[in-house]
Amino acid sequence: QVQMVQSGVEVKKPGASVVVSCKASGYTFTSLGIGWVRQAPGQGLQWMGWISAYNGNTRIVDNLQGRLTLTTDTSTTTAYMELRDLRADDTAVYYCARRFRNNFDFWGQGTLVTVS
Amino acid sequence: SYVLTQPPSVSVAPGQTATFTCGGKHIGSKTVHWYQQRPGQAPVLVVYDDSDRPSGIPERFSGTNSGNTATLAISRVEAGDEADYYCQVWDGSSNLVVFGGGTKLTVL
Repeated sequence: QVQMVQSGVEVKKPGASVVVSCKASGYTFTSLGIGWVRQAPGQGLQWMGWISAYNGNTRIVDNLQGRLTLTTDTSTTTAYMELRDLRADDTAVYYCARRFRNNFDFWGQGTLVTVS
Repeated sequence: SYVLTQPPSVSVAPGQTATFTCGGKHIGSKTVHWYQQRPGQAPVLVVYDDSDRPSGIPERFSGTNSGNTATLAISRVEAGDEADYYCQVWDGSSNLVVFGGGTKLTVL
């Protein structure tokens, strides 16, 4: 069965960086992409970007360009999200999700990142 | 950029049908996906490609899409359906994924 398992809670100072990992299993990793979505406390879902696990191509939303890097490691079927120069308004739960065509059919459990 | 508009809340009695709308310019020309997010949990895909259901999603969940409005309906609503519901499209012109603001379902 498909599973997406994310790394644990992070607490960071403003200006620091955070890396969240997402271990995928149960399918051929390079056949599909991985998307990243965040959710600030009490707010809705915000798409951050996605990466092809086949060739590493990415699409990142404009307002995170320059601060967000998405990568994959095909040898370990793991995706990574690095967000730099953290600010208080980056405090959110960060989700990875398998991209199936243009939707997200399997999600990780979420990783809370607190910037304070 | 493309905008999806959802009402903030919907209330329905158990056993009735809950209807969620998702408005967007010419959304009928796009493919719409719907997610359920229970409190404290990750989102779950409940309808994709306007009207298809993933494996394991009850037939009570159905979707339509036409004109400027996409709709998710949940028939025979149960207490366990209480959650936030989000619509989502991929905007090909900008190559961006867009989520609606979400609708909270309250089962009375």
